[in-house]
Amino acid sequence: DIQMTQSPSSLSASVGDRVTITCRASQSIRTSLNWYRQKSGKAPKLLIFGASNLQSGVPSRFSGSGSGTDFTLTISSLQPEDFATYYCQQSSSTPLTFGGGTKVEIK
Amino acid sequence: EVELVESGGGLIQPGRSLRLSCVASGFSFPDNAMHWVRQAPGKGLEWVSGISWTGGITAYADSVRGRFTISRDNAKNSLYLQMNSLRAEDTALYFCVKGSRVTTVVTRFDFWGQGAPVTVSS
Repeated sequence: DIQMTQSPSSLSASVGDRVTITCRASQSIRTSLNWYRQKSGKAPKLLIFGASNLQSGVPSRFSGSGSGTDFTLTISSLQPEDFATYYCQQSSSTPLTFGGGTKVEIK
Repeated sequence: EVELVESGGGLIQPGRSLRLSCVASGFSFPDNAMHWVRQAPGKGLEWVSGISWTGGITAYADSVRGRFTISRDNAKNSLYLQMNSLRAEDTALYFCVKGSRVTTVVTRFDFWGQGAPVTVSS
């Protein structure tokens, strides 16, 4: 099974800050990496697919990069609705696996 | 507008069975893989099972293989999860999830329902 490790597990930031979250796969997954945002009490929402492709309707302040085993999600200017938990997920092979999540909190 | 509506959750005793259903609308259901993903209270996301667009390919997490069965009825735009021999550790919110438009079950998760709560307790 492919293990996904996210860091940090939590962070504190202010509105307008640039935020970076990393995700590492236990083996190469090429660019089969997706990012989700989950607001408290809500269903997750797809933000980025294929490591760097912005899902339709997602604001351009979100961007993704990486390939192989190391990936990054960047929020260029944090907005109030971005205080949430973020998950990475590999779509290279089953079982499909998620990172443990990164909670972005208000500083 | 894509919509996924789950039903069938509830409180169930350990060892018993439960069947979750999900009705889809707003997209071509027969053209997409579908999945169940769960989230235990206060925990992260765990993929449970996926099924290809025809139903010919299914896959399961090790934690549920042999106890859970995923199925779909494309004529009814519906996805199902039959859960047998339930355990306390199966307690979670179960999300019905739309996969990509591919022929396998190895997909991203494009759209999520609001979830059906399942509590396994005596």
